[in-house]
Amino acid sequence: EAGVAQSPRYKIIEKRQSVAFWCNPISGHATLYWYQQILGQGPKLLIQFQNNGVVDDSQLPKDRFSAERLKGVDSTLKIQPAKLEDSAVYLCASSLDRENSEQYFGPGTRLTVT
Amino acid sequence: AQSVTQLDSQVPVFEEAPVELRCNYSSSVSVYLFWYVQYPNQGLQLLLKYLSGSTLVKGINGFEAEFNKSQTSFHLRKPSVHISDTAEYFCAVRKVGGGADGLTFGKGTHLIIQP
Repeated sequence: EAGVAQSPRYKIIEKRQSVAFWCNPISGHATLYWYQQILGQGPKLLIQFQNNGVVDDSQLPKDRFSAERLKGVDSTLKIQPAKLEDSAVYLCASSLDRENSEQYFGPGTRLTVT
Repeated sequence: AQSVTQLDSQVPVFEEAPVELRCNYSSSVSVYLFWYVQYPNQGLQLLLKYLSGSTLVKGINGFEAEFNKSQTSFHLRKPSVHISDTAEYFCAVRKVGGGADGLTFGKGTHLIIQP
């Protein structure tokens, strides 16, 4: 089966610009996660969706970050305006909607803010 | 809230030698425990997980881990490493039960295999 797809793989922008990342989860996976992985650190959860509803966005910097999953399938994560400290790899993961279900990760989008 | 501490940022080891990567966690609720591996320029891959039952868990690529509740540890081991094991290894926890179940990761341990 196809894995979690993300695009673009790489993005370079200047600070104060906006950027959007796209994620397509594994077919049938109701739960979708976005993680931010800063160089030298472990991934940090930004937001969790179940179908098209938000389950947890407690660590999402809502003044500049937004995410949506309108039809309960693919999702976009947006940053506007970007700051230097947003340089990171943004990972998308998906899982089935049941406890103990494994999270499958996409390859990530590497963002560089200059 | 949960937190994960990986005590070593880098672990160099010779090929065919044994290795142990250390992980300790803190949580006010029951958690599941995981080890993930990340090869250069790739996404995270699950190595193994502890959900319940036997505290010794076996995973892919010959890795195993032991859950120690009293010491709140979940150390990863392999009896004989290969060059292909060179990667970043992450320990993670997730609270038991549904709902908000995102993973909390440690900072990672870079395993460096020396020929």
